[in-house]
Amino acid sequence: GEDVEQSLFLSVREGDSSVINCTYTDSSSTYLYWYKQEPGAGLQLLTYIFSNMDMKQDQRLTVLLNKKDKHLSLRIADTQTGDSAIYFCAESPSYGGSQGNLIFGKGTKLSVKP
Amino acid sequence: KAGVTQTPRYLIKTRGQQVTLSCSPISGHRSVSWYQQTPGQGLQFLFEYFSETQRNKGNFPGRFSGRQFSNSRSEMNVSTLELGDSALYLCASSLDDSPLHFGNGTRLTVT
Repeated sequence: GEDVEQSLFLSVREGDSSVINCTYTDSSSTYLYWYKQEPGAGLQLLTYIFSNMDMKQDQRLTVLLNKKDKHLSLRIADTQTGDSAIYFCAESPSYGGSQGNLIFGKGTKLSVKP
Repeated sequence: KAGVTQTPRYLIKTRGQQVTLSCSPISGHRSVSWYQQTPGQGLQFLFEYFSETQRNKGNFPGRFSGRQFSNSRSEMNVSTLELGDSALYLCASSLDDSPLHFGNGTRLTVT
């Protein structure tokens, strides 16, 4: 079945770049997403990429998609302490015909040290 | 524009009871999805509603049910609560086939 894998932890120093990686299994996924979750809150949509793109940049965020290897990454430039959170990668499976049913990874906890 | 609103934020129930959670989507959004988040299983899809019809359903027992009203507001119900139902329940809304926007969730504790 469909599965999304992420490493569980990442620790960086303030000002450095963070790179969070994700692999997925459904090669027919139409969209791939990155969400952020802070303690006690819901999920905040950070960015998403259509499967026919290989890169998307949005201010400090850069998403790279390698469709051949089914690998997605999120790069956060100039990481700040406020970026400390859990980051989830998600794919929309090819069945179902809608974007409401997403498959999420287990999340990567990003810790930013001052 | 107001975001997705979920009520209540916190709920404590006893095993065997039932519970109803409420979700008001972003104005204009007609699709509402529900997810369960637990430390062990992560985020799991429960169901999706669009125009009062269930469009997709996840792999959960029949104790979990939902509905959507004509104003797009949605409720989910869990009957005969078990300890393992303790979780953060997240609601998300979207314009059809656009990214999901999540609420802050309802934290359900079953004792």
